[in-house]
Amino acid sequence: RKEVEQDPGPFNVPEGATVAFNCTYSNSASQSFFWYRQDCRKEPKLLMSVYSSGNEDGRFTAQLNRASQYISLLIRDSKLSDSATYLCVVSKGYTDKLIFGTGTRLQVFP
Amino acid sequence: SAVISQKPSRDICQRGTSLTIQCQVDSQVTMMFWYRQQPGQSLTLIATANQGSEATYESGFVIDKFPISRPNLTFSTLTVSNMSPEDSSIYLCSVEPELEGYNEQFFGPGTRLTVL
Repeated sequence: RKEVEQDPGPFNVPEGATVAFNCTYSNSASQSFFWYRQDCRKEPKLLMSVYSSGNEDGRFTAQLNRASQYISLLIRDSKLSDSATYLCVVSKGYTDKLIFGTGTRLQVFP
Repeated sequence: SAVISQKPSRDICQRGTSLTIQCQVDSQVTMMFWYRQQPGQSLTLIATANQGSEATYESGFVIDKFPISRPNLTFSTLTVSNMSPEDSSIYLCSVEPELEGYNEQFFGPGTRLTVL
């Protein structure tokens, strides 16, 4: 089983749509959780950290379910500029090391 | 977030040669990391580079192949030694700023390596 597993892509959605990405992780000791965004041929950029209480940043909402070892990202009112690969990232137990999922590709069309 | 630069941004190298990649940060950081992203894959951690102590390598990566230097808190190098075409990849450094609590990492722009 992979340490971090994500929904397979690609997701092709029209502008204005709501899209949700899911991610599961295998190490129950993991402490930190993130969503990163990676544009083609660019480095990953931190989109948001994911807290136990859930958190929202504009059109983006992240949720964490520690019992189920499940993380989600919801994007509302999709924009063309949201087209990218979204990486689910989890800390390796109590360490500072990060484990990256394989990513889910989102394509928003007009 | 920290500003991170990498040199070179890309290179094409011959089999059997070595390439040293530099990573420079605009502020002092304790934790620096080196990752590899092979074509069509996600990121894999190569090693943690700590100033004042030897780098810590992940399973599957060894010091002889990927020697790392960390002479101070703003700079690190990764060398890819005795290269083969399988080493063709993007190599990225990242840093974890000195913040309490969450350990977000921020990435340099990457070095795109092609080995012929």
